[in-house]
Amino acid sequence: DVKVTQSSRYLVKRTGEKVFLECVQDMDHENMFWYRQDPGLGLRLIYFSYDVKMKEKGDIPEGYSVSREKKERFSLILESASTNQTSMYLCASSLGALGYNEQFFGPGTRLTVL
Amino acid sequence: RKEVEQDPGPFNVPEGATVAFNCTYSNSASQSFFWYRQDCRKEPKLLMSVYSSGNEDGRFTAQLNRASQYISLLIRDSKLSDSATYLCVVNMLTGNQFYFGTGTSLTVIP
Repeated sequence: DVKVTQSSRYLVKRTGEKVFLECVQDMDHENMFWYRQDPGLGLRLIYFSYDVKMKEKGDIPEGYSVSREKKERFSLILESASTNQTSMYLCASSLGALGYNEQFFGPGTRLTVL
Repeated sequence: RKEVEQDPGPFNVPEGATVAFNCTYSNSASQSFFWYRQDCRKEPKLLMSVYSSGNEDGRFTAQLNRASQYISLLIRDSKLSDSATYLCVVNMLTGNQFYFGTGTSLTVIP
């Protein structure tokens, strides 16, 4: 079974802090994604990566950056956390050609910014 | 206009009922379509892909109507375990982005 793990289930940070969310997948998937999920807005794509060191902006990249130094790991960075970044963050991975294949999600990190 | 729109529900149906969800998408260039299921406080998981010819998996049937730009999910003989939120997902390939609907909530009542 594919396993996608995220470093924390719950995280509480203060405004202005730098926040790192880590995601690791164990199935050698090429593609990895970061989403945030908010009530009434659904899942929105922040960034995705289709290869090591490659990254592409999604719909809402402002205030975020990402890093993919190894194939199995995709990190989301909040450079200076703000209260409007309080959300559920979901990481996902998929195999092969972007767009065609199933995405496997991690359990999510619920981030609260005070 | 949102890329993908779903009726949020909630749909409350008795066990054994048939229920259908629709989802509309705005971009005619959309190329791949999926239904995901998300249980409360859990991550989304793929329920089924949606193919042009329509496809069935047990009690679940998915249809695609490109002319009207909608996809549907039909659940027959509903079970209590079908209670979840169902997410419609569309990909336009050219932008390599997946667009998720906000989900339709289903509760199957004993």
